[in-house]
This record gives sequence, C-alpha cells and structure tokens, in this order.
Amino acid sequence: AQSVTQPDIHITVSEGASLELRCNYSYGATPYLFWYVQSPGQGLQLLLKYFSGDTLVQGIKGFEAEFKRSQSSFNLRKPSVHWSDAAEYFCAVGAGATNKLIFGTGTLLAVQP
Amino acid sequence: SAVISQKPSRDICQRGTSLTIQCQVDSQVTMMFWYRQQPGQSLTLIATANQGSEATYESGFVIDKFPISRPNLTFSTLTVSNMSPEDSSIYLCSVGRGVAEAFFGQGTRLTVV
Repeated sequence: AQSVTQPDIHITVSEGASLELRCNYSYGATPYLFWYVQSPGQGLQLLLKYFSGDTLVQGIKGFEAEFKRSQSSFNLRKPSVHWSDAAEYFCAVGAGATNKLIFGTGTLLAVQP
Repeated sequence: SAVISQKPSRDICQRGTSLTIQCQVDSQVTMMFWYRQQPGQSLTLIATANQGSEATYESGFVIDKFPISRPNLTFSTLTVSNMSPEDSSIYLCSVGRGVAEAFFGQGTRLTVV
C-alpha cells in the first residue's frame, strides 16, 4: 500500500539558515510526489511537484526538492529560510494517475529570528 | 490552477446535529475530493465525488455518516451527520486538474460541542 513518512514532526531553524525537510514514500510504481504548505488557518498551497524527468524540481517561494528513487525520498530544501516560511509542510504521493493524494503526517517548521 | 470556495469557513455545532459543507469551483472539474484533517494530524481522504455517480468512500468512512452530493461539475457538498466531538476537524475540498494535480479550498473548521 502507498504511504508517506515525514520523520520530523517539528523543526526549528534560524532565519537565513538552510532547510531540509525529509520525506520518504512507499509506492509500487513511479510516484507522483508533492509538497504542500499550510499556514495557520489557511488551506494547502502547492509548493512543487514531481511527475517524471529531471529529479531536481524547482517550486515557488525558493523551494526545491530532489527525487531519489534509490532512497525512496523526496526531500524539500531551501537555501535561506525567511520568517514567513514558518508553517506546516506536507509531503504527499499521488495514487496512480488520479488526483487522490496520500499525505504524510506533516512537519511543523518554526523560524527563529 | 483552480479557485475553490468553501462554506462555511468555520462553525460550532451541537452534538447530534448535522452540518452541510459546500464546495464551489470556478471551472468545471471531473474529480472532487473531500479530506478530513483532525487536530494536529495530517489529511485523510474521506471520499471521491464524481459528477453523475455515487461517491466512492475510503476505508473507515461511510455514506450514512458523510453523505456527499455532486450535482454538477462545479459544485459538491459534504454533510457530517449526527455529529460528535470526535468529528471536530478541518474538512477540505479538493479538485483535480490534469494528471495527479490537486488544488485545495481554505477548509471548514468544525467544532462539535
């Protein structure tokens, strides 16, 4: 069965520091992978997605993610974090070619001044 | 992208009552999804709603508790029936566009007292 694991429940980084949020997935075929961000009281906003091709994917707000098939990972990175990046981040895998998503448990990011 | 409007944005309801949540999309979409996000947890898919057919429910969710309507390609409703405090969650509508691409509404924050 498909599943997504986000090992880090809560991460705190200093503003300006680099960030990496981990995501591991379990899926039988080539996965469709996504990162979403949820700010307090808000819905989910798509940061980036991977379907195929280049394994390094660029997204909005300066985020990028790298698909590593050998490690079943799709980690999210940002070189320099801004205070406005404080939010909860969800990794998700698409179940086949449908729009149905399976989400990880989320990583709550706090940014220190 | 797609613009998704959910109503109400939040509500406080008495146990034993029912609440109907509306989801309106700014363009026609084939697939609509309803997710639940319980406090401090990730998103779980409740059901997939396709126009002209019965909704398909995920394991652990039943039609009697979460009846869904999908009268046309831009609108859907989810009813949370006979509510208990355990139903206190954020309920999110999602639509699909293209292959494995999902957009989310702002969510309905439900508190059952």
